[in-house]
Amino acid sequence: DVKVTQSSRYLVKRTGEKVFLECVQDMDHENMFWYRQDPGLGLRLIYFSYDVKMKEKGDIPEGYSVSREKKERFSLILESASTNQTSMYLCASSLRRRSGEKLFFGSGTQLSVL
Amino acid sequence: LAKTTQPISMDSYEGQEVNITCSHNNIATNDYITWYQQFPSQGPRFIIQGYKTKVTNEVASLFIPADRKSSTLSLPRVSLSDTAVYYCLVGEDTGFQKLVFGTGTRLLVSP
Repeated sequence: DVKVTQSSRYLVKRTGEKVFLECVQDMDHENMFWYRQDPGLGLRLIYFSYDVKMKEKGDIPEGYSVSREKKERFSLILESASTNQTSMYLCASSLRRRSGEKLFFGSGTQLSVL
Repeated sequence: LAKTTQPISMDSYEGQEVNITCSHNNIATNDYITWYQQFPSQGPRFIIQGYKTKVTNEVASLFIPADRKSSTLSLPRVSLSDTAVYYCLVGEDTGFQKLVFGTGTRLLVSP
């Protein structure tokens, strides 16, 4: 089975801190994604990557950046955390770049910014 | 990007069949229709995918009419463990995959 591992299940940070959320997949998938999930808003795409060192903005990239130095690892960076970035963050991966490719999700990181 | 519309919530009882309909009026020729299930405190997981007509697996069935402007996820004989949020997605093949989730349908199964 594909495994997508997010480094932290819960994280508490202070406003202004730089925050790193790490995600690793073990199935040589080309595509990786970062979503955030908030009550009543569903999942919203922040960034995605379809190759090493490649990145594309999703629907809500403001306040975030990403890094993909190795194929298996996709990092989400909050340069200066703010309270409105308190959310559940979900990482996902998929095998190839084609319509309808199945997404595999991690268990999520619940981030609280105080 | 094709937009989907689903009911916000549905209620059912154990043993009943549940049908959740998703509208996607602007679906493109290359788009597949995919459904995901999400339990609390977990990431979504793939349930079923189809392009046209009917698809069935061990978990659910997916019915897609000829015009593909809607689809219906059918869960036979639901149990309490089927209580979850169900998302309908329509993918856009732009050369790289960008999937947008809506707010989903919250299904509550009662005894």
